[in-house]
Amino acid sequence: AQTVTQSQPEMSVQEAETVTLSCTYDTSESDYYLFWYKQPPSRQMILVIRQEAYKQQNATENRFSVNFQKAAKSFSLKISDSQLGDAAMYFCAYRRTKGGNNRKLIWGLGTSLAVNP
Amino acid sequence: DGGITQSPKYLFRKEGQNVTLSCEQNLNHDAMYWYRQDPGQGLRLIYYSQIVNDFQKGDIAEGYSVSREKKESFPLTVTSAQKNPTAFYLCASKEQDINYGYTFGSGTRLTVV
Repeated sequence: AQTVTQSQPEMSVQEAETVTLSCTYDTSESDYYLFWYKQPPSRQMILVIRQEAYKQQNATENRFSVNFQKAAKSFSLKISDSQLGDAAMYFCAYRRTKGGNNRKLIWGLGTSLAVNP
Repeated sequence: DGGITQSPKYLFRKEGQNVTLSCEQNLNHDAMYWYRQDPGQGLRLIYYSQIVNDFQKGDIAEGYSVSREKKESFPLTVTSAQKNPTAFYLCASKEQDINYGYTFGSGTRLTVV
């Protein structure tokens, strides 16, 4: 069974600095998708970034980028120039592309990020 | 603007009562999902529906029921059989066969009193 592990329950960063959140996953599949979601205090889940496993190039979205290491099954999120609005819970998620349950997301337990002014 | 609307935002239930959480989307998405979120446990899938008039159990379906009579609507009923219903409930939707991320509603906080 696939699993997603976020080893950092809490992280903090100074405003304008860079922070990296870790995520590892376990799967025997070769084709899948990985996601980072942000859950601010409003508790609405917001998609931050998405990575297709067949793509070698790391995804980027403005200040957010990932370091996707397929062989190591690692998918870390880097936030550059951190802003106060980045303070939130961040979840890593995995979804396989094949099989009857391919629409099921597997979630990590989250990392709570604090941004200090 | 397109999106997912969950109501109510806060809901209080007496023990032994059934309550229904509403989820409506105007994104024309085929697939809809219900998740439960508890502190320290992340998100757990309750039920999902890939098409109207069809739905499947997720990982923690016991004590819950759903219906999908319209594409736009996927209500969740928390029955009295659910022994520990106090939690935050999130509804999500996705276009079928497109592997983009899900779109989530703003959630319902259910408390048993």
